[in-house]
Amino acid sequence: ELKVEQNPLFLSMQEGKNYTIYCNYSTTSDRLYWYRQDPGKSLESLFVLLSNGAVKQEGRLMASLDTKARLSTLHITAAVHDLSATYFCAVGNTGTASKLTFGTGTRLQVTL
Amino acid sequence: DAGVIQSPRHEVTEMGQEVTLRCKPISGHDYLFWYRQTMMRGLELLIYFNNNVPIDDSGMPEDRFSAKMPNASFSTLKIQPSEPRDSAVYFCASSPALAGSIGGDLYTQYFGPGTRLTVL
Repeated sequence: ELKVEQNPLFLSMQEGKNYTIYCNYSTTSDRLYWYRQDPGKSLESLFVLLSNGAVKQEGRLMASLDTKARLSTLHITAAVHDLSATYFCAVGNTGTASKLTFGTGTRLQVTL
Repeated sequence: DAGVIQSPRHEVTEMGQEVTLRCKPISGHDYLFWYRQTMMRGLELLIYFNNNVPIDDSGMPEDRFSAKMPNASFSTLKIQPSEPRDSAVYFCASSPALAGSIGGDLYTQYFGPGTRLTVL
């Protein structure tokens, strides 16, 4: 059974600082996704990572994938308050097409 | 495209009543998913469909829950009878099957706004 773990579960950081969220998964997968959820809102797709070494960047967020280590990271550069949200990674279940297993989420709070 | 549409957005009901949640996926998407989100259990996959056929319902908590997809543009999740522990936010999501398909990246799931269910 595929298990997905994120850490930390909660992260409070000051504006302007850098930090990384980690996503570990237990079995081989061919795709990994990052989502953002604002309080009381739905989940919004941020990145899709499909191969070992893949890196994608959007603004102050950069996601990477190491399939050998079964690890993805979401790096936040010079955080701003607008990035406050919960971030989920989701891993594709190999052989079951579109099914995803979601991590527990990391609640990010950026303070002024 | 309007995205995934869910109704109602909020539902308050009393224990024992039947609840029906509705979802319209993004046009052209082949997969439809129902999730439940709570503080205690996080985001749980309940069931998913491919081309209107249920593929995996192992996440459906018990027989009180049922889901149908009578056509490519509509799905329902029904709880009968409802219980207070069913209180949660229920999300519907859809995804395309192939890279370059209409409306999105490979297998990326696009979520609806959710239905917040409160069972008193």
